[in-house]
Amino acid sequence: EVQLVESGGDLVQPGGSLRLSCAASGFTFSDPYMDWVRQAPGKGLEWVGRVRNKANSYTTKYAASVKGRFIISRDDSKNSLFLQMNSLKTEDTAVYYCAKVPFDYWGQGTLVTVSS
Amino acid sequence: DIQMTQSPSAMSASVGDRVTITCRASQDISNSLIWFQQKPGKVPQRLIYDASSLLSGVPSRFSGSGSGTEFTLTISSLQPEDFATYYCLQHKSYPYSFGQGTKLEIK
Repeated sequence: EVQLVESGGDLVQPGGSLRLSCAASGFTFSDPYMDWVRQAPGKGLEWVGRVRNKANSYTTKYAASVKGRFIISRDDSKNSLFLQMNSLKTEDTAVYYCAKVPFDYWGQGTLVTVSS
Repeated sequence: DIQMTQSPSAMSASVGDRVTITCRASQDISNSLIWFQQKPGKVPQRLIYDASSLLSGVPSRFSGSGSGTEFTLTISSLQPEDFATYYCLQHKSYPYSFGQGTKLEIK
């Protein structure tokens, strides 16, 4: 059974940093691309970014709203996906989901609140 | 960047109604479109991929059509479990983008 479990969400002050993790099981983690998607409270879905697989040099893509502040990485040896979030803004407040491409499996999400 | 404009943003309908939701892309995305359903407190679930291909296990009352810049999701006969929010996602080019969502409520 495929499982994706996010962790690391917390309350953080504007300008702060946070690292989210997504633990994967039930599939060969090293194969697919992996994405992060977020959803602000009561709002719609926003694609955050992607990390490709080893065959594609682990290259990354980002939404304009997070480019230069967020970094997506993965550790295939630990079946884990990461989202390093820096220079956080209040508008980054959201539930963050990891998703296996092609969006067939999602984690349950972890809440990040950016507030003073 | 490609913008996805979804309409309507909300609608109310009755069980048995036929419902159509539209997504328009700001540029040609071919058929690189996925439709999702999200129920309150739940994660999104894929319904349709490649604009018109129904995923296994999704009821046949759901259908998708379109190519290029205009796409539709149709529910032929609404069932109680279909009341949810629906999103389109373009994956033709980066950065990917979702439509704003359509909240389907019971009339």
